[in-house]
Formats: sequence, structure tokens, C-alpha cells
Amino acid sequence: QKEVEQNSGPLSVPEGAIASLNCTYSDRVSQSFFWYRQYSGKSPELIMSIYSNGDKEDGRFTAQLNKASQYVSLLIRDSQPSDSATYLCAVKTSYDKVIFGPGTSLSVIP
Amino acid sequence: DAGVTQSPTHLIKTRGQQVTLRCSPISGHKSVSWYQQVLGQGPQFIFQYYEKEERGRGNFPDRFSARQFPNYSSELNVNALLLGDSALYLCASSRREMGGDGYTFGSGTRLTVV
Repeated sequence: QKEVEQNSGPLSVPEGAIASLNCTYSDRVSQSFFWYRQYSGKSPELIMSIYSNGDKEDGRFTAQLNKASQYVSLLIRDSQPSDSATYLCAVKTSYDKVIFGPGTSLSVIP
Repeated sequence: DAGVTQSPTHLIKTRGQQVTLRCSPISGHKSVSWYQQVLGQGPQFIFQYYEKEERGRGNFPDRFSARQFPNYSSELNVNALLLGDSALYLCASSRREMGGDGYTFGSGTRLTVV
């Protein structure tokens, strides 16, 4: 079992729709969770961090964490073509390493 | 404030050669981590340094080594390069130890081994 897994994608949504990105992790004791956005040819950029169960909202982005299910998700409301990128889920594990998932490619169709 | 700076941006090396990649973290950040990203995959953890001490190492061979200097800048060295070392090497800095507050990445060094 891989430490951090994400939907394989690519995910395509129409402009204005909600994009839902999912991530599961194997280390039950992990405490810190992050979503990064990576445009093609660029480096990852931190967009959300979440540490407690529940929802955390920041503008059009909502991160959701369920530690019992070892699941973290990112919702993007009113998706825009500029949101087209690869989204990386990252988990800080109990052994103090930040492990990234393989990423999910999102394409927002105008 | 300057972001995370990495040099060089691109590098072409021959198999068997050695390479040194450099990184300067954001001012005030004492934690530097190195990641390798192969096209189409997520970043793979190589090393983490905090306060000039190695605090973590990923599943990479001993050909990979790193260090952090008193000014918190860092170098990643790779010896005896293999074709499979071709990748984007990312440096990330964070204020808190072990990236607990999230990383700021540099623009990366694209290494091509021929």
C-alpha cells in the first residue's frame, strides 16, 4: 500500500462546476495535511493546509479531513480554466516526513 | 522578501559525473528539504535539514548526499550519475521544523543525465 494515494485522473469539469479531489493515506497517526497546486513546468505551490477533522474553507477552496477514514479531500467551487493544474496531496507522517501523492490532473473546460 | 532560490535552473551531465545543486531558503526559514520529481509523478522525499542537522532521509542510495550551512542554505550532491537521476530537483523551505506549516518550493533544477 502506497503511503499517499490520489484519484488517478485526469479529471475534467466544466467551468463553474465543483471539482472534487480525493486523497487517502496509510499512516493512521499523521497529523498535518496539505494540498499543493502545480502548473505544468512549474514547482508546487501550497494552497491549503488542514490539521483537524472537518472542513476548512479559503475562498473557492474547501479542504475536508476525516482522520478515522484516513481521507482528505479538496473541493474547488466555481472552477475556472486557471484552476487547470495538477493537485498534489501531501501528508506529514508520524515519522516526520512529508510524503506527496502522485497528483491528480484537473482540466477545467470553458 | 526573496523566495526560495535554486541554482542552476538547468543542467546536463554525463553518466558517471557528479553534480551539486544549491538552494537558499526564505529568510527566517531554518528548515530545508530536497525532493526529486520525475515527470508525471509526485515529488519524492530525499533529505530534510533543520538547524544544520539532517533530520530525515528518504529511500535514495548513498550516492545522494546533502548538507546545510550556517546561513541555512543547502547543497544536494549526487555522485556517479545514472540516466535514472534525470528529474526536477526541488528545494523547499519552511519556518517550522519538518515542514509542519507547509513548504515554499523553489523553481527547481532540471537535471538531464545523458
